[in-house]
Amino acid sequence: GEDVEQSLFLSVREGDSSVINCTYTDSSSTYLYWYKQEPGAGLQLLTYIFSNMDMKQDQRLTVLLNKKDKHLSLRIADTQTGDSAIYFCAGEDGGATNKLIFGTGTLLAVQP
Amino acid sequence: NAGVTQTPKFQVLKTGQSMTLQCAQDMNHEYMSWYRQDPGMGLRLIHYSVGAGITDQGEVPNGYNVSRSTTEDFPLRLLSAAPSQTSVYFCASSGPRGITEAFFGQGTRLTVV
Repeated sequence: GEDVEQSLFLSVREGDSSVINCTYTDSSSTYLYWYKQEPGAGLQLLTYIFSNMDMKQDQRLTVLLNKKDKHLSLRIADTQTGDSAIYFCAGEDGGATNKLIFGTGTLLAVQP
Repeated sequence: NAGVTQTPKFQVLKTGQSMTLQCAQDMNHEYMSWYRQDPGMGLRLIHYSVGAGITDQGEVPNGYNVSRSTTEDFPLRLLSAAPSQTSVYFCASSGPRGITEAFFGQGTRLTVV
């Protein structure tokens, strides 16, 4: 089955760019996802990328997918204090779109 | 439009007690899932359903039961709570495009003492 790994913590200064990295093992995912979790809240789907794409940009967010290395990254430009949260990458177990395998989550701390 | 509603938000149980975590969605979604979130382990899939009357096991199903008698509701039952089930539980639902339309509830924080 899918195994997804992330670094646990990232600290950046307000206005800098943040890059959160993720590696995965199962190539059968049709989509790969990034979720955001604010303190005490549920998960919010931030963005996703179709597996045959290399890059997707959505306002301040850029997702890069390296299928050869099975590496996914999320870049947040001009990081704000409101971006402080836990960010999860997720893949699909066996390509099933309703069975997600989540990474451990990366806590992003934005310093003013 | 309430989205995905979970109740209760917090619960403390004694070992051996049973309880049901409720999840309801008002988006007519076919797919519903239960995850548990533990520190350093991300979210793990407990059970899921692809429609009324159809359920299946996820990664960590032991100690939990589910049923899906209606499209709207997907309750999670703990038959005999154990301290290892102390966790935050999230319910999710998604529509016909699958998880790309996923919505998560606010979570239920369960402590088993």
